[in-house]
Amino acid sequence: AQKVTQAQTEISVVEKEDVTLDCVYETRDTTYYLFWYKQPPSGELVFLIRRNSFDEQNEISGRYSWNFQKSTSSFNFTITASQVVDSAVYFCALSGEGLDRGSTLGRLYFGRGTQLTVWP
Amino acid sequence: GAVVSQHPSWVICKSGTSVKIECRSLDFQATTMFWYRQFPKQSLMLMATSNEGSKATYEQGVEKDKFLINHASLTLSTLTVTSAHPEDSSFYICSALNRDRGPYEQFFGPGTRLTVL
Repeated sequence: AQKVTQAQTEISVVEKEDVTLDCVYETRDTTYYLFWYKQPPSGELVFLIRRNSFDEQNEISGRYSWNFQKSTSSFNFTITASQVVDSAVYFCALSGEGLDRGSTLGRLYFGRGTQLTVWP
Repeated sequence: GAVVSQHPSWVICKSGTSVKIECRSLDFQATTMFWYRQFPKQSLMLMATSNEGSKATYEQGVEKDKFLINHASLTLSTLTVTSAHPEDSSFYICSALNRDRGPYEQFFGPGTRLTVL
């Protein structure tokens, strides 16, 4: 079955600090996608990144970077030089090809989220 | 683009009334839509998967008769909370699969905040 674990419930940092949000996943599908979403207080989910299971290259987008390691089934997210506007709940999610027992093609499996608070 | 809208964005109703929430894909056809519920400080919980022209598939523990889902067209799915009670107060989010962008490309609506008095 598909499962996403975000062990960190809440993280607090001071502005300009770097912060890493952890995500560990479980799946038996060979083809799958991993996602990160940001949910600010308004509630609307903001898509940050999608990474497929065959692409282990790390990605950097401005202050954001992602480290995908299949060997440890992890897809961690780092924010460099954090800002107050980064304060939000961040969700890691997994979508598989539907071959893993109990999974459905296209369905997203969410972690429980990490509340990030960046203090000025 | 791939935009999904939800209407209303928030609703307050009295206990016992029914509330309908609409989810529309504005610039693509969505054969599959998903409905989620999110309680404060919790993750998104999938309620049901809605396929155009067929009955919705509900997750375990979700009452079909209470949460009626209709996906009558390729751009519209509706969720009706029947005889709403205070415990149904939650944030409801829909998403739509854009098959043209692959089976994994899911786009989210902005959510509907339901408060039942």
